[in-house]
Amino acid sequence: EADIYQTPRYLVIGTGKKITLECSQTMGHDKMYWYQQDPGMELHLIHYSYGVNSTEKGDLSSESTVSRIRTEHFPLTLESARPSHTSQYLCASSEWGQDQPQHFGDGTRLSIL
Amino acid sequence: AQKITQTQPGMFVQEKEAVTLDCTYDTSDPSYGLFWYKQPSSGEMIFLIYQGSYDQQNATEGRYSLNFQKARKSANLVISASQLGDSAMYFCAMRGRSGAGSYQLTFGKGTKLSVIP
Repeated sequence: EADIYQTPRYLVIGTGKKITLECSQTMGHDKMYWYQQDPGMELHLIHYSYGVNSTEKGDLSSESTVSRIRTEHFPLTLESARPSHTSQYLCASSEWGQDQPQHFGDGTRLSIL
Repeated sequence: AQKITQTQPGMFVQEKEAVTLDCTYDTSDPSYGLFWYKQPSSGEMIFLIYQGSYDQQNATEGRYSLNFQKARKSANLVISASQLGDSAMYFCAMRGRSGAGSYQLTFGKGTKLSVIP
């Protein structure tokens, strides 16, 4: 079973607040990802990283930012939350190799009031 | 550009019966990989099965098998002997070269499977 953890599991917060969604994995994977998923919809890649100090934007434009200072940690930050940021955010990691599956955390369900 | 199409928004299956979830894909990459994930109502994504574009045999993992038809660009998931716990959203995904030049996953819109007792 994959060891990737996301906190918080649920977050309801007011507009304008700064938010950091945490993601940690204990598998030593270099590759990590953040996806955004609206209810009942597909996942869209918003950020990814190939290792420490590597961050790239995904196919879906997002106002969030990420950092990768340690291999195991890949937090996502929203500087000023808005209702349009309401969604589920899923973190994943994988080994190198095209046949390697991405292992997902349980997700954070974010609601901005 | 890559695209995954899942044409069945929802499916029903009787417990203990087999069910096929459809997935077609479009890519210009000669090398790609296809993945299926299960997402229960609790929200986590669970990896089920993988098929590489050069694999000669269809992938199997327990009750899951992948009906891979390369010429038709389809990679349907077959679940045998359905169980109540199989009720969930199922996503087909493809790894190929993205517009950024890296290999990322592109997901379909998903199929909601409901298993009837």
